[in-house]
Amino acid sequence: QSVLTQPPSVSGAPGQRVTISCTGSSSNIGAGYDVHWYQQLPATAPKLLIYGNNIRPSGVPDRFSGSKSGTSASLAITGLQADDEADYYCQSYDSSLSAWVFGGGTKLTVL
Amino acid sequence: EVQLVETGGGLIQPGGSLRLSCAASGFTVSSSYMSWVRQAPGKGLEWVSLIDSGGTTFHADSVKGRFTISRDNSKNTLFLQMNSLRAEDTAVYYCARVRVGWNYVDYWGRGTLVTVSS
Repeated sequence: QSVLTQPPSVSGAPGQRVTISCTGSSSNIGAGYDVHWYQQLPATAPKLLIYGNNIRPSGVPDRFSGSKSGTSASLAITGLQADDEADYYCQSYDSSLSAWVFGGGTKLTVL
Repeated sequence: EVQLVETGGGLIQPGGSLRLSCAASGFTVSSSYMSWVRQAPGKGLEWVSLIDSGGTTFHADSVKGRFTISRDNSKNTLFLQMNSLRAEDTAVYYCARVRVGWNYVDYWGRGTLVTVSS
């Protein structure tokens, strides 16, 4: 059971928009700690996608965006492409655990 | 260019010890925050350990007292000493550079697989 809760899977057709939620609590996201997102393509290491809730690193397309409100955060992907198929993870810090925490991951399928 | 290359993984019996290494290039480990993150087969990511630029270390409760993160500044290398290994420690272990002042990974290694089994 992950401290941050993500849907196990989402799907969308090419060109569509999908969102992935990340729900935490008052000791992590709700406490004001930033949320970061990673993309993990099949059989590869994770890659930073969004940091500081909504900041894209250089090289990440603006089709990817992040937001945060209360005890939750979301990753939105617009203009879905086949090579967006991957697992997506949210991550934050938890003050009760004094530890980094990850969501369980969401598998994105492009139909 | 930042590169992180992990070595030291393999098959080890329960109760055994293993030391993972992560050779870094393109930046200085001693002035960075570094972390280990693991991923059990078919599972999600789990934070393991972190060392800050001052040398202070932090470990997840699941490995506290068994794993130790350290670094060799002269070799620009990060280590993870893993003792009293259990089956549930089986995972790909990723070396990661942490953005200083933040709590996220900006660069990941390719990972090394540790299998704990008799």
